Amino acid sequence: DVKVTQSSRYLVKRTGEKVFLECVQDMDHENMFWYRQDPGLGLRLIYFSYDVKMKEKGDIPEGYSVSREKKERFSLILESASTNQTSMYLCASSQDRANYGYTFGSGTRLTVV
Amino acid sequence: QKEVEQDPGPLSVPEGAIVSLNCTYSNSAFQYFMWYRQYSRKGPELLMYTYSSGNKEDGRFTAQVDKSSKYISLFIRDSQPSDSATYLCASLQGQFGAGTQVVVTP
Repeated sequence: DVKVTQSSRYLVKRTGEKVFLECVQDMDHENMFWYRQDPGLGLRLIYFSYDVKMKEKGDIPEGYSVSREKKERFSLILESASTNQTSMYLCASSQDRANYGYTFGSGTRLTVV
Repeated sequence: QKEVEQDPGPLSVPEGAIVSLNCTYSNSAFQYFMWYRQYSRKGPELLMYTYSSGNKEDGRFTAQVDKSSKYISLFIRDSQPSDSATYLCASLQGQFGAGTQVVVTP
């Protein structure tokens, strides 16, 4: 069974902390994505990557950065966590640029206090 | 304005009823659309995808796209309590609707 695994289900961090969210996929997919999901706003794209060491900004990249050193791993970094970054973070992958559907992880619920 | 809009609901139906879900999109360049189902405390899972014309059927699920009105629909026949979830529409370009919460009552 193919999987996208996010390292933590729940995280609580303090304002100003540097936060790392890890995502690993075992499907040899080219593309990986980070979304955040908030009530009433749906999923919003933060960053995506079509290849190792490649990254592109999504719709809301401010306050975030990413790292993709290996094909299977895509990390989201909150440089200095703020309370407005409290959210559900979802990692996804897809096979190629045609993007016929993403495989999502189970999500990380991040609370910044 | 979001490029894909969806009524958040909740939509409550009795078991066995037809569930009708809708989205609108604004970008005429969008041609492929996906529907995802998301159970509570889980990530979304792909239900089906469809091209921007006609219908696509998969078991109890039917997806429709009306390109002229930029309208996307998902119908669930013979709904079951296990269909209770949030349903999200999305474009191939990764623009998601906000999701509609569906509750099927026994």
